[in-house]
Amino acid sequence: AQTVTQSQPEMSVQEAETVTLSCTYDTSESDYYLFWYKQPPSRQMILVIRQEAYKQQNATENRFSVNFQKAAKSFSLKISDSQLGDAAMYFCAYRSAFGGFSGGGADGLTFGKGTHLIIQP
Amino acid sequence: DAGVTQSPTHLIKTRGQQVTLRCSPKSGHDTVSWYQQALGQGPQFIFQYYEEEERQRGNFPDRFSGHQFPNYSSELNVNALLLGDSALYLCASSYLGQGREEKLFFGSGTQLSVL
Repeated sequence: AQTVTQSQPEMSVQEAETVTLSCTYDTSESDYYLFWYKQPPSRQMILVIRQEAYKQQNATENRFSVNFQKAAKSFSLKISDSQLGDAAMYFCAYRSAFGGFSGGGADGLTFGKGTHLIIQP
Repeated sequence: DAGVTQSPTHLIKTRGQQVTLRCSPKSGHDTVSWYQQALGQGPQFIFQYYEEEERQRGNFPDRFSGHQFPNYSSELNVNALLLGDSALYLCASSYLGQGREEKLFFGSGTQLSVL
């Protein structure tokens, strides 16, 4: 079974600065997906960024980027130019690329316990 | 375009009772997954429905069951409620036809409190 570990229960950063959230995972599979989700007080999980394990290039989405180290099984999220609206719980998640519907479908996500990100004005 | 909608938003039940939660997927989506998020934890996968059948299941007892209707909407049923079932229940939908590019869209959840 896969596991996802987020070792930082809470992080605080000044507005406009850069913060990095850590995530490690354990799997015996070679092909999988990794995600960072944001959960604001509205409770809705919002996809921040997605990484496919077979792609060596780190994913980026505007101010959000990841550092994907496949051999180390590490997947950290960097938020640049932090904004007040970035304050939320952030969850790292794993999904196998196999199983589900003949390998192409939506397996269940395995989530970490989350990191509470505080933005100081 | 409405996203994933869940009802009710909050629910209070007593131990031993049964509860039904409802989810309407995003327009164009055909797959619905359910997750349980206990306080201070990440969501845990309960099960997934496609073509009105349960296709995958996480580590949850048989007290948790579901259904998917022809219009792709879904219900989550929990029987013989325990105090430990108190949690936020999240529904997520996706379109299977996207294959590897499939993306999940989540609803805002139903907060269930068991007294």
